[in-house]
Amino acid sequence: KNQVEQSPQSLIILEGKNCTLQCNYTVSPFSNLRWYKQDTGRGPVSLTIMTFSENTKSNGRYTATLDADTKQSSLHITASQLSDSASYICVVSDRGSTLGRLYFGRGTQLTVWP
Amino acid sequence: EADIYQTPRYLVIGTGKKITLECSQTMGHDKMYWYQQDPGMELHLIHYSYGVNSTEKGDLSSESTVSRIRTEHFPLTLESARPSHTSQYLCASLPPGGADTQYFGPGTRLTVL
Repeated sequence: KNQVEQSPQSLIILEGKNCTLQCNYTVSPFSNLRWYKQDTGRGPVSLTIMTFSENTKSNGRYTATLDADTKQSSLHITASQLSDSASYICVVSDRGSTLGRLYFGRGTQLTVWP
Repeated sequence: EADIYQTPRYLVIGTGKKITLECSQTMGHDKMYWYQQDPGMELHLIHYSYGVNSTEKGDLSSESTVSRIRTEHFPLTLESARPSHTSQYLCASLPPGGADTQYFGPGTRLTVL
């Protein structure tokens, strides 16, 4: 069973609109949570990384939140652009692993229409 | 932008062929990883390495093998490709410290006919 669940599976929005993507996880012990953007046919690129004590972190038009108590995270995209069309992947790392063990969600496929 | 490279980017081959997917990074990272990703699915770890002469199998069973003779180079080999090997293969490396972000290569899209 995947320990990182994302919703929605896919989303279509109009350019300029805002959207929020959700991530629920069961990974324990928790180390940090990352949001990656993956363009079609490319490798994932990191957007944000949050540790246990961080509630929110921004990177330009991307704002990630983390509730470590409920094990939920969200990624909010403001004023969407056509270039935001991609898969957004939630990745959780477990604590105490020297491997840097990561648990991947299946991603939310975002499409931004003009 | 991370300096991690994968070649080829796309590969279409026939069943039974031997192939090697190349992955190189110029950042001096000790830890490197290979992931397999099918469309719309999560990444699955198939191999990882802590450093030179260190290789381990990941969570997802794979018929591929890897080697780590040099820090910067982590090739993946399939001795006899089959259609079930059709997938995207992503290479990644991790800076020292463990808590930092893995840097991914652009991936190799493999199609076995």
